[in-house]
Amino acid sequence: QITLKESGPTLVKPTQTLTLTCTFSGFSLNSKGVGVGWLRQPPGKALEWLALFYWDDDKRYSPSLKNRLTITKDTSKNQVVLTMTNMDPVDTAAYSCAHSVRITVAGRMGYYFDYWGQGILVTVSS
Amino acid sequence: AIQLTQSPSSLSASVGDRVTITCRTSQGFSSTFAWYQQKPGQAPKLLIYDASTLETGVPSRFSGSGSGTDFTLTISSLQPEDFATYYCQQFNSYLFTFGPGTKVDIK
Repeated sequence: QITLKESGPTLVKPTQTLTLTCTFSGFSLNSKGVGVGWLRQPPGKALEWLALFYWDDDKRYSPSLKNRLTITKDTSKNQVVLTMTNMDPVDTAAYSCAHSVRITVAGRMGYYFDYWGQGILVTVSS
Repeated sequence: AIQLTQSPSSLSASVGDRVTITCRTSQGFSSTFAWYQQKPGQAPKLLIYDASTLETGVPSRFSGSGSGTDFTLTISSLQPEDFATYYCQQFNSYLFTFGPGTKVDIK
């Protein structure tokens, strides 16, 4: 049974750095074709992908935010950590982590998010 | 950067209606596409991957189609539990992009 849970501050001040931790169970991030990603959703707005840590230690970031994001993993703790620097009120959102799985159909390979955490609402305000 | 658009942005429909949502990408080359359903206060749920493959456990009234730059999610007969927001997602070069969403509500 795959589960993921986000933890971290729910209130940060502008210019501060946000650090969020995703603690997961039911799978190994060392398993081929697996990833753990971070996504966010401002209240009433659309989903936005932020970053993903792949099973082979590859890390990818949203092009629009890559200068502010760092994703790391702690294998011993089954955790993936996201840091986002220089927080701004527009970054107020529910931040979620999700399990991503590689699926290949007729030679077409893709990664998809099939299990999600409950999300954590982070408010940026002074 | 890749841009996804969805149309319509919202629609009102009745139970039993056939509903079609379109997703268009600015760059479809070497990409795969998925559709997610999100209900208020819940995490998104994967419905369809590789544009047309139904995720295990998803009702067969959901279907996906498309290729290149245009993709479609169809609900053949809308059920009360289908009122939600639907997002398309593109995977390309190990990066992900989500569409702006289509909200389906009750007429």
